Amino acid sequence: IAGITQAPTSQILAAGRRMTLRCTQDMRHNAMYWYRQDLGLGLRLIHYSNTAGTTGKGEVPDGYSVSRANTDDFPLTLASAVPSQTSVYFCASSSGQGTYNEQFFGPGTRLTVL
Amino acid sequence: SQKIEQNSEALNIQEGKTATLTCNYTNYSPAYLQWYRQDPGRGPVFLLLIRENEKEKRKERLKVTFDTTLKQSLFHITASQPADSATYLCALDIDYGQNFVFGPGTRLSVLP
Repeated sequence: IAGITQAPTSQILAAGRRMTLRCTQDMRHNAMYWYRQDLGLGLRLIHYSNTAGTTGKGEVPDGYSVSRANTDDFPLTLASAVPSQTSVYFCASSSGQGTYNEQFFGPGTRLTVL
Repeated sequence: SQKIEQNSEALNIQEGKTATLTCNYTNYSPAYLQWYRQDPGRGPVFLLLIRENEKEKRKERLKVTFDTTLKQSLFHITASQPADSATYLCALDIDYGQNFVFGPGTRLSVLP
């Protein structure tokens, strides 16, 4: 693994189903983030984690949950998907050291909820 | 209300000219501002960061300015090339690495 990976690449999901988007980084970064990107709205922060064991809510957290059991993994779960959660989801990480927080992004997961 | 805007959704310029993209924000006090490049179907890639106490930053053909009084950042690409065609995003760090706000992006097309 080099950098940050996401799985799956894309997914079509029936409304009401549970879905977990996976994110793994091998840069030993402390901070990780989940964003959704919608046309005309840009990237919006869903949840973040400053370090393993801690998580926080971003701008649009409703309907999503995250966990951070270790440094490398930061899964995003949709407990009961709804069509408004159709979007492209990006995971990102940063070293979290000081205030120089360059973010490294994964390739994204395109999710369609029908 | 809090808002972050980028000057235009799309910008077309001729190869060799300087592209200037604008990022304006209201009711935020960011510690620093970042610029990213995003190509279709890919995640954003970091380009430059400028802190609130810095006026200007340069990296090769890129230059960023940051005016906290005007609440504006300008992003310049000099001697633009068709390979510079992409969407450019500005992002504010509004909580020291815990919360970022992105602008909607400007899609730049450099015409040969």
